[in-house]
Amino acid sequence: EAGVVQSPRYKIIEKKQPVAFWCNPISGHNTLYWYLQNLGQGPELLIRYENEEAVDDSQLPKDRFSAERLKGVDSTLKIQPAELGDSAVYLCASSGGEGGYNEQFFGPGTRLTVL
Amino acid sequence: AQTVTQSQPEMSVQEAETVTLSCTYDTSESDYYLFWYKQPPSRQMILVIRQEAYKQQNATENRFSVNFQKAAKSFSLKISDSQLGDAAMYFCAYRTVLFGNEKLTFGTGTRLTIIP
Repeated sequence: EAGVVQSPRYKIIEKKQPVAFWCNPISGHNTLYWYLQNLGQGPELLIRYENEEAVDDSQLPKDRFSAERLKGVDSTLKIQPAELGDSAVYLCASSGGEGGYNEQFFGPGTRLTVL
Repeated sequence: AQTVTQSQPEMSVQEAETVTLSCTYDTSESDYYLFWYKQPPSRQMILVIRQEAYKQQNATENRFSVNFQKAAKSFSLKISDSQLGDAAMYFCAYRTVLFGNEKLTFGTGTRLTIIP
């Protein structure tokens, strides 16, 4: 079974440019998460989707960040315009199943460098 | 809000020896999940072990075991017979059991080095 797929693995852009990250969760997983991991820190949740609905986006900086999961499967996270402080790793995770404990499975992340 | 604290930024251990990584947390909830994740240089977070707070028995997965002290809000990870492949960042994480709030709250991590 394929894991969580993310692309690109690395991205280097100049400040003020737009950038987008793509995530394809594990097949059948209804819940999708985007986490931000700054250097030397643990991941922090940006947004959580249940199917196509964003049910927790309280930590998403909405002035420059946006996300979508139109068909309840894959998702895109966008930054426009990017700032120097956005340099970080962006992790996608997914979970599925009904009730009880749902393990989150993580993708390999996208490392963003803003110059 | 829940917080997770890892006070050891770096640890090292000789191959085949045992090492313990520390984690403390703060919560007002009585039931929750605690996790240890491993993040190798490939960046992919891998679940190492999980503990449910209502279970008094400490979780064990092969060479990995935890010491869960609920009253002290402590959750340490013991790695026995350390192997070179254990070298990675290790993150302690907390999650509520409440449906609809499944986000993970992570600590700042401990970088584990294995000395051959």
